[in-house]
Amino acid sequence: QQPVQSPQAVILREGEDAVINCSSSKALYSVHWYRQKHGEAPVFLMILLKGGEQKGHEKISASFNEKKQQSSLYLTASQLSYSGTYFCGTEAEYGGSQGNLIFGKGTKLSVKP
Amino acid sequence: NAGVTQTPKFQVLKTGQSMTLQCAQDMNHEYMSWYRQDPGMGLRLIHYSVGAGITDQGEVPNGYNVSRSTTEDFPLRLLSAAPSQTSVYFCASSAFPSTDTQYFGPGTRLTVL
Repeated sequence: QQPVQSPQAVILREGEDAVINCSSSKALYSVHWYRQKHGEAPVFLMILLKGGEQKGHEKISASFNEKKQQSSLYLTASQLSYSGTYFCGTEAEYGGSQGNLIFGKGTKLSVKP
Repeated sequence: NAGVTQTPKFQVLKTGQSMTLQCAQDMNHEYMSWYRQDPGMGLRLIHYSVGAGITDQGEVPNGYNVSRSTTEDFPLRLLSAAPSQTSVYFCASSAFPSTDTQYFGPGTRLTVL
């Protein structure tokens, strides 16, 4: 089942902060975050694993609430280059195959000067 | 090191025609997958492979076939194209899909008339 992302879209001024949320109805093993610019392929940002391990971008942080099956991506001091659509991909803890990601519908982030 | 490559970049088909979308990676990744991306729908998993000779279905497999005869290549076959298959198709690969980034190819934009 597709995770739910919120908000669907957000507009920021440079230097402002934003939070993007991802919520699943399934128990999760991992949450992956990607950013996609228009006409391009998705690019990796962050992986959060059950148990607390994180791998990813230096300037972007995220959290994973295992009990609530929720993840949040924190974008601080936003830059123009942060504009794009952000996707979370969730991997179920049970069933399915390792590594299969079910992606949310995305959050469109626009950073204005 | 080219990463993940996809051909063609653009393709127009008529309803009922068949074709193969090519995907290759030179990173010796065991895990490869195919996604389709439609406006407002995010990325949906079509088929995936955890190694040469092993493939399985994702969320939306109907109308598509895959094979994995080598580690490097993972072609996606459209058996009888339908307008509903108009989409952007992305191939991705990963060393350890749960804990490592998935690298996406540049995508193939397919239109079925």
